[in-house]
Order: sequence, then C-alpha cells, then structure tokens
Amino acid sequence: EAQVTQNPRYLITVTGKKLTVTCSQNMNHEYMSWYRQDPGLGLRQIYYSMNVEVTDKGDVPEGYKVSRKEKRNFPLILESPSPNQTSLYFCASSLAKNIQYFGAGTRLSVL
Amino acid sequence: AQSVTQLDSHVSVSEGTPVLLRCNYSSSYSPSLFWYVQHPNKGLQLLLKYTSAATLVKGINGFEAEFKKSETSFHLTKPSAHMSDAAEYFCVVTSGGTGRRALTFGSGTRLQVQP
Repeated sequence: EAQVTQNPRYLITVTGKKLTVTCSQNMNHEYMSWYRQDPGLGLRQIYYSMNVEVTDKGDVPEGYKVSRKEKRNFPLILESPSPNQTSLYFCASSLAKNIQYFGAGTRLSVL
Repeated sequence: AQSVTQLDSHVSVSEGTPVLLRCNYSSSYSPSLFWYVQHPNKGLQLLLKYTSAATLVKGINGFEAEFKKSETSFHLTKPSAHMSDAAEYFCVVTSGGTGRRALTFGSGTRLQVQP
C-alpha cells in the first residue's frame, strides 16, 4: 500500500531536549516536505526537498533542520525545541503535478 | 505570490441538504487548486484537484468544485450531505512553474452535519 509514514504520532517533550520526527514514503517520490498545522492558520511549509541531498527552506524554517540522505526518508529535527513549536506536523511526498500525499500527522507538545 | 481565503470558518448543514464551502484564491501564475479533507485525528486526504483542464472538477464521495477564473473562486459543493462528511476542509493553491511546489493552504472550514 502506497503511504507516507510518520513516527511518532504523539510526542510530549520539554524545552531544549533534541528530538527527531521520522518520515518515510514507499512511492519512490522525489519531492518531500514538512508542514506544521496551527489553529486558524492552515498548514505552513517548514522545509522541502526536491531530491536526495537537496533541501531548502519553506515559509517557517526557524528552529528546524532536515536531512535527505535517502530518497524514502525525510526526518525533521528540532535541535532545541521551544513551546512555540507545539503543533501538529505533517510530512508529504509528491512525484509530479503538485499532488502531495500526506502522512497521518505527529502531534508535538513542548512543555 | 499566492494566497487562499476560505470565507467561512464553520458551516453547519442538515443531513441530506446541499453543501457549499467557499474558497477564493490569488495567484500570479496559472494556479493548480485542490481541496483536501481532514477527519478528526486523521491525516489529509485529497478530495479533488484542478490543473487547467475542465473547469468543473469531480472528486471523491460526491464532491465537486468549479474553477471560475473571472471570480478567482473554487467553491466546493455536494448535493446531499452525509453524516460522514463532517470534517475540516482545506482549499489549497499552488502555482505552476515553481520547483518549490509549496502548497498554500486556506485556514480551513469545519463542516458540521446535523442529523
């Protein structure tokens, strides 16, 4: 089954404790992206990757890092999380035509 | 630059009555437009897409949307609401020709369906 898999689905952490949210897709998509969803704001793009070893900032990249060492994986790294990064995060992948397939989401709370 | 405005944050209908969720967009280039649905505690599912072919687009679960360039609108409709349609709906725009392929989301419309 074609899918985008995020882990963990839920995470509670404390300020400053590094964390990684993993994202994996099995569709051989070149393009992958991370979004955060906040009430009343819709989804905003954090980072994206056009292909292996090619990443770039989206609209809200501050406080986040990503890497793309393999085509299927695109982890999101928070080196020093802060409470304003409490949000619902979505990973997405796309082959072409701008149709993006989304993971189920990761709900992060930073205390 | 591109933007999306969903004109209603909440819409409530009775089961069996029509649904209308309104969306206006702004884009510098020929846009691609989408509607996504998000059920509670679920991810985003693509309902339908417009990519410069037919202006009336049919999607899954009986939904359709009409692209009106003169009005810069892409409203989502369904003739008869079902209880399972209760969810949050996002109108999304992306502009052609950009490698970034960033999707710009509206702020969402929460659809309630009353029995």
